[in-house]
Amino acid sequence: GQQLNQSPQSMFIQEGEDVSMNCTSSSIFNTWLWYKQEPGEGPVLLIALYKAGELTSNGRLTAQFGITRKDSFLNISASIPSDVGIYFCAGYSGGGADGLTFGKGTHLIIQP
Amino acid sequence: NAGVMQNPRHLVRRRGQEARLRCSPMKGHSHVYWYRQLPEEGLKFMVYLQKENIIDESGMPKERFSAEFPKEGPSILRIQQVVRGDSAAYFCASGGVMNTEAFFGQGTRLTVV
Repeated sequence: GQQLNQSPQSMFIQEGEDVSMNCTSSSIFNTWLWYKQEPGEGPVLLIALYKAGELTSNGRLTAQFGITRKDSFLNISASIPSDVGIYFCAGYSGGGADGLTFGKGTHLIIQP
Repeated sequence: NAGVMQNPRHLVRRRGQEARLRCSPMKGHSHVYWYRQLPEEGLKFMVYLQKENIIDESGMPKERFSAEFPKEGPSILRIQQVVRGDSAAYFCASGGVMNTEAFFGQGTRLTVV
């Protein structure tokens, strides 16, 4: 199956700092999705990206669909305690028949 | 994601029993995906179904696991003769047409004792 490399694996930051994480793939993706998962819950969709170069914001979150269609990043500005969780990138590859492929997640930990 | 309903939320089974996990997609969605998540790990794709069709089951173990999405009713993930290694959280996601957003349920946490 497809592989998504998500980095960093974990982040320890101070409240108020900006956060940046990214995903890369060896193959082209048609759609990039970013999810957040909190303990005991299912992933919640944050942002969906459909076109190469697309830059989309959702409050303090901004995500971009890379020009090469092989990468995407997610930025969180001015982090707050409730941003804590695991952030997953996911995408549909050009093959069409596969389900969503997920990265392994970025654990975001915010120190007061 | 509140529209995707999974039940039960928690399921305990003894080794050798069968586990049935149910997923009702959001209204109007015809695609269902099942994922497995081990503690502290990411989501691993298992199977992708449309109504009455298995589109991609490349992530499903070859034995003991099966999935269906009948014309009427929820999608079912069935695990026969469960073993301790099957203990995990199983998530279902539903989507409309392919390559668009997928929304997740809250998962079923299976514990095999």
